[in-house]
Amino acid sequence: DVKVTQSSRYLVKRTGEKVFLECVQDMDHENMFWYRQDPGLGLRLIYFSYDVKMKEKGDIPEGYSVSREKKERFSLILESASTNQTSMYLCASSYPTGLGKNIQYFGAGTRLSVL
Amino acid sequence: DQQVKQNSPSLSVQEGRISILNCDYTNSMFDYFLWYKKYPAEGPTFLISISSIKDKNEDGRFTVFLNKSAKHLSLHIVPSQPGDSAVYFCAASAGGNEKLTFGTGTRLTIIP
Repeated sequence: DVKVTQSSRYLVKRTGEKVFLECVQDMDHENMFWYRQDPGLGLRLIYFSYDVKMKEKGDIPEGYSVSREKKERFSLILESASTNQTSMYLCASSYPTGLGKNIQYFGAGTRLSVL
Repeated sequence: DQQVKQNSPSLSVQEGRISILNCDYTNSMFDYFLWYKKYPAEGPTFLISISSIKDKNEDGRFTVFLNKSAKHLSLHIVPSQPGDSAVYFCAASAGGNEKLTFGTGTRLTIIP
């Protein structure tokens, strides 16, 4: 069974803190994604990784960075957290079909509050 | 620039009736479309998909229709059940791209 695990369900951080959100998948998928979900805005892509150490900016990368040192793990980093980064963060993974007909599998999400 | 739009933020349907969720897109390069379902405090789960070479795909109670000329797709759920109450997102990809573009979601409530 497909499994994407996000290390924390809830996080509360202070403005200016460095924040790490961790995601692990056990499906040997090449692709991994970080999204944020906000009311009325749907899911917006922050960063995408298509292989170890490879990354690509999504639609809203400002204020975020990512790290993928191992295939199964994809980390999202908030270098200096701000209140406008309070959101639900979702990690996903997929197997590249080369045809774009990929199904992404999601973790349960991390609800981050920045105070 | 919202390339995938779900214009109804919410929808209420009586149990046993048909639920119809709509999605419009603007990018004519999109050629693969998916529907995801999301319960509170859970991640989205894949429901059904359709390729642009088809105009209909069916899986049990769920059917997705694609109208390419109108750049419109819809998800039909028949009959609706209380467990169908969730937020539904449509998503699209273009030309072999591994990334998905998501809509804003529609909250479906099934009334017993």
